[in-house]
Amino acid sequence: EAGVAQSPRYKIIEKRQSVAFWCNPISGHATLYWYQQILGQGPKLLIQFQNNGVVDDSQLPKDRFSAERLKGVDSTLKIQPAKLEDSAVYLCASSSRVGNSPLHFGNGTRLTVT
Amino acid sequence: DAKTTQPPSMDCAEGRAANLPCNHSTISGNEYVYWYRQIHSQGPQYIIHGLKNNETNEMASLIITEDRKSSTLILPHATLRDTAVYYCIVSRHGSGNTGKLIFGQGTTLQVKP
Repeated sequence: EAGVAQSPRYKIIEKRQSVAFWCNPISGHATLYWYQQILGQGPKLLIQFQNNGVVDDSQLPKDRFSAERLKGVDSTLKIQPAKLEDSAVYLCASSSRVGNSPLHFGNGTRLTVT
Repeated sequence: DAKTTQPPSMDCAEGRAANLPCNHSTISGNEYVYWYRQIHSQGPQYIIHGLKNNETNEMASLIITEDRKSSTLILPHATLRDTAVYYCIVSRHGSGNTGKLIFGQGTTLQVKP
């Protein structure tokens, strides 16, 4: 099966600019996650979708971050305006609700804010 | 979700077994133990998970103590490609449950020739 696709792979922007990341999960996976991974740390969950509804966005900085999954398939994560501390790898993952289905991660988008 | 404690780093000789420990003393009865690993510049990769019985798959074995307060991930014959950060996570995720997977700092395993 095809894996989780993310784009772009790398992005460099200046602070106060906006940026968007795209994720296409594995076909048929109802649950989609966005994680932020700062260099040297483990991934931190930002938001979790079940189909097109938000299950958990308690760690999402909602003053600048937004995410959507309009048709329950693809998802976009946006940052507006970006800050220096947003420099990180943004990882998308998906999972099926069937049994103990593991998370499948994409390779992420590396964001550098200058 | 319960927290886990892992050593920050470990070394292992190529071809030998790598035994990665994890403490999860506050685990509750419905929480699973999951192991993921992250190779440099890639997203995390699922390895194995278990509830209370020992588990084995083509990648690794998971040994969970009887009181479930700790576990060990065993890579039976480590290769250079197993060099990665290994994360032990406890979560209610699974069986259709949407419990979160919360990653800690993990253990950096360095496999040496």
